[in-house]
Amino acid sequence: DVKVTQSSRYLVKRTGEKVFLECVQDMDHENMFWYRQDPGLGLRLIYFSYDVKMKEKGDIPEGYSVSREKKERFSLILESASTNQTSMYLCASSRRLGAHEQYFGPGTRLTVT
Amino acid sequence: RKEVEQDPGPFNVPEGATVAFNCTYSNSASQSFFWYRQDCRKEPKLLMSVYSSGNEDGRFTAQLNRASQYISLLIRDSKLSDSATYLCVVKGSPGSSNTGKLIFGQGTTLQVKP
Repeated sequence: DVKVTQSSRYLVKRTGEKVFLECVQDMDHENMFWYRQDPGLGLRLIYFSYDVKMKEKGDIPEGYSVSREKKERFSLILESASTNQTSMYLCASSRRLGAHEQYFGPGTRLTVT
Repeated sequence: RKEVEQDPGPFNVPEGATVAFNCTYSNSASQSFFWYRQDCRKEPKLLMSVYSSGNEDGRFTAQLNRASQYISLLIRDSKLSDSATYLCVVKGSPGSSNTGKLIFGQGTTLQVKP
């Protein structure tokens, strides 16, 4: 079974803090993704990576950066958290780019106060 | 206009009912379509792919209408355990800015009541 884990289920941070969200997958997948999910807006792609040290912007990259130093780990960084970044953050992985099945982690509910 | 649009619901149906969800997509070049299911406070998981000829998986039937650019999901004999949010997903068409990505609709919430 593919397993995607995220470092925290719930996180509360203050405005202006630097926030790290970690994601690890154990199936040697090439591709990893970060989404945020908000009511009425659905899942929106922030960044994705198709290889180690490679990254591509998604639909809403502003205010975020990512890091992929190892194949199994993909980190999302909020350089200076703001209240409009309060959201559910979901990490996903897939075997290859364009694969229709993405495997999601359990999500991190981030609240920025 | 959103690339993938769904009626968010909620759809409240009694056990045993048949319920159908529709989803429309804006890019006529799209070629691959899927339904994902997301239980309350859980992550999305692939439910089924949608094939041109329509396909069935037990009580679930998925259909594609390319001319009208919509996808449907039919659930027969609804169970309490079918309560979830159903996400319509379109794969980005080749050559587009969304190549290789999955584009998710906002989801339709189904609540099956006893």
